[in-house]
Amino acid sequence: GAGVSQSPRYKVAKRGQDVALRCDPISGHVSLFWYQQALGQGPEFLTYFQNEAQLDKSGLPSDRFFAERPEGSVSTLKIQRTQQEDSAVYLCASSLDETEQFFGPGTRLTVL
Amino acid sequence: DQQVKQNSPSLSVQEGRISILNCDYTNSMFDYFLWYKKYPAEGPTFLISISSIKDKNEDGRFTVFLNKSAKHLSLHIVPSQPGDSAVYFCAASPSFRNQFYFGTGTSLTVIP
Repeated sequence: GAGVSQSPRYKVAKRGQDVALRCDPISGHVSLFWYQQALGQGPEFLTYFQNEAQLDKSGLPSDRFFAERPEGSVSTLKIQRTQQEDSAVYLCASSLDETEQFFGPGTRLTVL
Repeated sequence: DQQVKQNSPSLSVQEGRISILNCDYTNSMFDYFLWYKKYPAEGPTFLISISSIKDKNEDGRFTVFLNKSAKHLSLHIVPSQPGDSAVYFCAASPSFRNQFYFGTGTSLTVIP
């Protein structure tokens, strides 16, 4: 399968715990996006990478959220000291030419 | 502030009839629009797109119409099939393409 993969698919965290969510984009895709999708809502932009450079992080809701893509391929979204309002599906998408984004299946995070 | 709006949370259509899903946007800087389809527990998958230089784009049973003056786009599916039952998201992007804004989705049910 050559699609975008994300792991874990489901994560339950206790409030205050740190979590790390992984995204493996389609090989060769330069652009990588992270989105947060709350229940009943559409995906909301978090951050954007072009290769290893994080060009836009304006959507990150607080400084507890941090994303990296050190080698321009795999990306990790880290959330420190999780709060209940962080519960959502986190979607990763990659793109070759920025006209179409290919989404992964998402990681459903539940913070208790 | 929701820049892309889908005011109908759900729509039911008889198999074989036309499905029309609507989307409105507020930002006049948006010049590229996409429709995504999403099944439960999966990420959104790209369906069709349109750039602001066109007012119509067609791909098989799917046609997207863009009315720039009204800041409105619609997706027509004809004939509708039971396999089209899913949540449909419209998305919009300004020319720099590193941010995509999604609507809240319309859940389409095609009744056999």
